[in-house]
Amino acid sequence: GENVEQHPSTLSVQEGDSAVIKCTYSDSASNYFPWYKQELGKRPQLIIDIRSNVGEKKDQRIAVTLNKTAKHFSLHITETQPEDSAVYFCAVMDTGRRALTFGSGTRLQVQP
Amino acid sequence: NAGVTQTPKFQVLKTGQSMTLQCAQDMNHNSMYWYRQDPGMGLRLIYYSASEGTTDKGEVPNGYNVSRLNKREFSLRLESAAPSQTSVYFCASSEQTGTGAGGYTFGSGTRLTVV
Repeated sequence: GENVEQHPSTLSVQEGDSAVIKCTYSDSASNYFPWYKQELGKRPQLIIDIRSNVGEKKDQRIAVTLNKTAKHFSLHITETQPEDSAVYFCAVMDTGRRALTFGSGTRLQVQP
Repeated sequence: NAGVTQTPKFQVLKTGQSMTLQCAQDMNHNSMYWYRQDPGMGLRLIYYSASEGTTDKGEVPNGYNVSRLNKREFSLRLESAAPSQTSVYFCASSEQTGTGAGGYTFGSGTRLTVV
């Protein structure tokens, strides 16, 4: 099956700074890479996704970049705000199981 | 339009007891999934159902069974609960299997404690 590694496990930034979370994966055939945000006690919610036919996608303050050759992708959050504080999960579509394999999560704290 | 509904929200079981977690979606999605979430380990796939009438094992299926009752409902059963099954369980659904089309919609989760 797919193997997904996510770094860092915790990240603390000052309000207004940028945050970057990185994930690597093992299956070169994987073609779908979503990111989820989970607030404390809540369900994970999709915030952005990218498919293997594009290298970058932006949605306001968040962006995802994909390097298929190196098998890694990253989440970029600019101008961070306290409400960005949450756990972020990357995921990769496992082409064998046809289901998402998730990274272990990054706890982002934005200090006001 | 409720999305994905899970019941119960909380449950405490004694070791050896059985229970069924219920999940229903009203989005006409073909695929449904059960994940468990443990601290520091992300979400791990237990079982999934690509379409009505099919189920497949995920990464951590031992100790669980599932039933895809119809297109809307996908239940998870613990036949003999063990403390290692203490976790938060999430049900999810998606429009298509393997393509990620539309991403996953998650239920609100079931916090299960086995004592």
